[in-house]
Amino acid sequence: DGGITQSPKYLFRKEGQNVTLSCEQNLNHDAMYWYRQDPGQGLRLIYYSQIVNDFQKGDIAEGYSVSREKKESFPLTVTSAQKNPTAFYLCASSIDLAGYYGYTFGSGTRLTVV
Amino acid sequence: EDKVVQSPLSLVVHEGDTVTLNCSYEVTNFRSLLWYKQEKKAPTFLFMLTSSGIEKKSGRLSSILDKKELFSILNITATQTGDSAVYLCAVMRAGKSTFGDGTTLTVKP
Repeated sequence: DGGITQSPKYLFRKEGQNVTLSCEQNLNHDAMYWYRQDPGQGLRLIYYSQIVNDFQKGDIAEGYSVSREKKESFPLTVTSAQKNPTAFYLCASSIDLAGYYGYTFGSGTRLTVV
Repeated sequence: EDKVVQSPLSLVVHEGDTVTLNCSYEVTNFRSLLWYKQEKKAPTFLFMLTSSGIEKKSGRLSSILDKKELFSILNITATQTGDSAVYLCAVMRAGKSTFGDGTTLTVKP
């Protein structure tokens, strides 16, 4: 079945540590996205990528980094520079960057700083 | 700055009631408006709206867009407990999307 796989589902991080969230898709979608969701809030865009080896900052990119070495994979690193990383992280993909046809979402990773 | 505002933020109804969720927006280069249902984790797609005045329907759910007044509504008739979720509205433009904060719907038996 085609879809997006995020791992791990739950992640605990000590302050000062970098952690990497995995996102893999087998939908052959060109565009991939990372969103952050805080309680009672909508999704805020962290980074997005239209093609391999290219990505753009979203609205809240500070403290995060990404790579897009393969079409299928778009990992997100939460660095120690991110002041408040505890949140629910969603990866998504779409056929095109405009997202005209909407997104397919992964099941998310819940990151908690301990 | 693009803005998407959903109302109400939360809503509690009883089974069988009809609800209307609202989404207003201020977005440049509008392409489409999408509704998603988020129960626990991944949002699932409900509707995509691009043209004013054309109602999209799926079972008990329906949605319509008004591009002149810059808003959309999502209607759910004969609500069921399984409709309890966060309903997200997203407005798409070239290259980016903006999501509202969602409406949390709770349907009581």
